[in-house]
Amino acid sequence: QKEVEQDPGPLSVPEGAIVSLNCTYSNSAFQYFMWYRQYSRKGPELLMYTYSSGNKEDGRFTAQVDKSSKYISLFIRDSQPSDSATYLCAMNGNQGGKLIFGQGTELSVKP
Amino acid sequence: GAVVSQHPSRVICKSGTSVKIECRSLDFQATTMFWYRQFPKKSLMLMATSNEGSKATYEQGVEKDKFLINHASLTLSTLTVTSAHPEDSSFYICSARDPLQGSGNTIYFGEGSWLTVV
Repeated sequence: QKEVEQDPGPLSVPEGAIVSLNCTYSNSAFQYFMWYRQYSRKGPELLMYTYSSGNKEDGRFTAQVDKSSKYISLFIRDSQPSDSATYLCAMNGNQGGKLIFGQGTELSVKP
Repeated sequence: GAVVSQHPSRVICKSGTSVKIECRSLDFQATTMFWYRQFPKKSLMLMATSNEGSKATYEQGVEKDKFLINHASLTLSTLTVTSAHPEDSSFYICSARDPLQGSGNTIYFGEGSWLTVV
């Protein structure tokens, strides 16, 4: 079993839809959770950073962490074609430790 | 926001030669940098962790003599692919940890470098 599981998709939604991206993990020591967006042939861009359980909102993006279920989510409201990219969850258990990545979910938002 | 710059973005080299990729943190000092390799439609594979002033820590299965990593300053790490072969062709990405952001755990990525060995 991989430490972090993420549905690779592809996920296709119409413009304006609410998108839900999810990851599950097995290591209860993970405390820091991130979401990265990666456009084709580019490096990943940090979208959201959360510590421990709870919600964090930034514009159209909301990150949720449920440590009791070992489950994290990224919600995108009013999705736009420019949101089409691969979304990677990542996490680690201590400051400065190496990130463990999910496989990435490929999202396509159709106009 | 913090920026990590990677150079070159694309490089083509002949088989048997060596090629160097640079990773710079532009507006913060990065005590730790990471080097990844990514295959098409795959997630990032960590190759090594680079700490300023000390030897890099390589992941299992990564040849340290083939992928030389140097982290000579707090803003620069380099990856040298030695005696490159076509199977080394890949997308290489660096990242840097900003110790002053997000409880010292915010990691930013460079734009990546496409290496093609012919």
